[in-house]
Amino acid sequence: GEDVEQSLFLSVREGDSSVINCTYTDSSSTYLYWYKQEPGAGLQLLTYIFSNMDMKQDQRLTVLLNKKDKHLSLRIADTQTGDSAIYFCAEILNRDDKIIFGKGTRLHILP
Amino acid sequence: DGGITQSPKYLFRKEGQNVTLSCEQNLNHDAMYWYRQDPGQGLRLIYYSQIVNDFQKGDIAEGYSVSREKKESFPLTVTSAQKNPTAFYLCASSFVQGRNGRNQPQHFGDGTRLSIL
Repeated sequence: GEDVEQSLFLSVREGDSSVINCTYTDSSSTYLYWYKQEPGAGLQLLTYIFSNMDMKQDQRLTVLLNKKDKHLSLRIADTQTGDSAIYFCAEILNRDDKIIFGKGTRLHILP
Repeated sequence: DGGITQSPKYLFRKEGQNVTLSCEQNLNHDAMYWYRQDPGQGLRLIYYSQIVNDFQKGDIAEGYSVSREKKESFPLTVTSAQKNPTAFYLCASSFVQGRNGRNQPQHFGDGTRLSIL
């Protein structure tokens, strides 16, 4: 069935790079998204990648897409305390444009 | 500034009561969505609407109802039939573009936290 999987927790030291991984099931997905959710708030769209791209960079954020393995990653360079949040991976299914979210990865920043 | 406004931020429901969560957007988006978020869970789709006066059930529509009388507004009613309503409710909206009506990225409000008294 349709599923987007992420690890639930990640701890990273301030200043290091964070890499959040995601696997998805629909090989024909058109768009893949990363959202950030801070405590008590809604989801903020961070970045997205179209399925015909391998990589997208936006300031401290780098998205890598491996279509063969259906694997998506989000790298945050120079992780800061403000990056502490839950990060959701999401895919849009090609057949019906339904968006499927992962359960989210909680990023914890160590001093 | 354009955005999505959800109200109230916190809501309490008594047993047997219906409550309505408000969602308003001024982004001129065609589509609007309601999600439920439980701790440690992803988002589950309750209802969505791609055009005024039309809406479809999502994965967990039982115990909920919606209306879409205006493009800007998509209120969600949590009825007394929803036996476990305690959750964080998120409203989202997006454009629907292209020949296939392909949805664009969804933008979210700040959520309403509903609890049972």
